[in-house]
Amino acid sequence: GIQVEQSPPDLILQEGANSTLRCNFSDSVNNLQWFHQNPWGQLINLFYIPSGTKQNGRLSATTVATERYSLLYISSSQTTDSGVYFCAVEGGSGNTGKLIFGQGTTLQVKP
Amino acid sequence: DGGITQSPKYLFRKEGQNVTLSCEQNLNHDAMYWYRQDPGQGLRLIYYSQIVNDFQKGDIAEGYSVSREKKESFPLTVTSAQKNPTAFYLCASTQTGKYGYTFGSGTRLTVV
Repeated sequence: GIQVEQSPPDLILQEGANSTLRCNFSDSVNNLQWFHQNPWGQLINLFYIPSGTKQNGRLSATTVATERYSLLYISSSQTTDSGVYFCAVEGGSGNTGKLIFGQGTTLQVKP
Repeated sequence: DGGITQSPKYLFRKEGQNVTLSCEQNLNHDAMYWYRQDPGQGLRLIYYSQIVNDFQKGDIAEGYSVSREKKESFPLTVTSAQKNPTAFYLCASTQTGKYGYTFGSGTRLTVV
């Protein structure tokens, strides 16, 4: 099945710094989403981005489908950005919504 | 407000006991999913359902069972056959053809 790898596994930033999180996937996808899991376990959908670029406030994401990777950019980080960021994909022509998750990037933003 | 409600928040199971985790959504979503998360790991799919009275196994279905008798409800039973059930369980839903996932707040299950 499709493999999803995220890097780096851990990241520590000072408040105000920028960061880039990467997601590599091993096959073509028709569904790619980025999620943020807060320290209490709640997962929030950040982006649905199988290709192209999207921005939402301080966050933006770019997926280059032909090269099988996606990037999540966090600018001017805040302590509330701390948590785990997951990339998840659905491969091929499927339309079931079944997502395969990467292992996540754990981000800690220090004040 | 629309959303997904999971209950209980914490659950303790004795050896050999079946327990049922509740997942209810009022988003009118067609598809619902159960994922398991172990410490420091990503989420793995247990079961999913795209319509009422129909569901499919995910990657780690052994030792689990589900039902989908109503559109808004998708309970998960962790049976005694699941040898390592201690984990964080997350329920999600989405509208078929649209990709924004909504997650519940999760249930932490511990074997005592």
